[in-house]
Amino acid sequence: NFMLTQPHSVSESPGKTVTISCTRSSGSIARNSVQWYQQRPDSPPTTVIYEDHQRPSGVPDRFSGSIDSSSNSASLTISGLKTEDEADYYCQSYDSSNQVFGGGTKLTVL
Amino acid sequence: EVQLVESGGGLVQPGGSLRLSCAASGFTFSGYEMNWVRQAPGKGLEWISYIGSSGTPIDYADSVKGRFTISRDNAKNSLYLQMNSLRAEDTAVYYCARGLPPDYWGQGTLVTVSS
Repeated sequence: NFMLTQPHSVSESPGKTVTISCTRSSGSIARNSVQWYQQRPDSPPTTVIYEDHQRPSGVPDRFSGSIDSSSNSASLTISGLKTEDEADYYCQSYDSSNQVFGGGTKLTVL
Repeated sequence: EVQLVESGGGLVQPGGSLRLSCAASGFTFSGYEMNWVRQAPGKGLEWISYIGSSGTPIDYADSVKGRFTISRDNAKNSLYLQMNSLRAEDTAVYYCARGLPPDYWGQGTLVTVSS
């Protein structure tokens, strides 16, 4: 099994851009798609990025995703930060049906 | 509109059993793989089980293998999780989530294992 490592927390000011990383411990990051989920307090997760860089309908284009094979990592970038973006963000990937979540990153917009 | 509604959570003593249900609506349930994912209080997300659209294949995280059983009834648009030999560390909100990878999540049901 592999692990996905995220920073515990990040903070940035409204209007700025923040990037959250997600590093895969073994096996290629490109092996299977990476998803990103947003979770606000006392709410279930919602998908903000799927298949590495795709945005579900309703997710603003301020959210973007990418993968980097050289660092074996994925990234979630949020531009034009708004206070409503303050939440926990989780990356996720899988091998066959075995799924792994990153430990989560708490985004503070201050 | 996709809806997933979990039920069956509650307080149970260590060593006890509980059966969770997830009622699906707004999509063709039989066409989708399903998962159970849990979140301990103040902690991150942990995938625990997967089931294929027709009931196979099935997979479990090592933390629940041999104690939990996932199943589904496509005629009833329902997903289940039978949890046996419960431990304090199983205390969590349990979510059902559609698809591989998951795209929609239910609101979750809280399971508390305590004496």
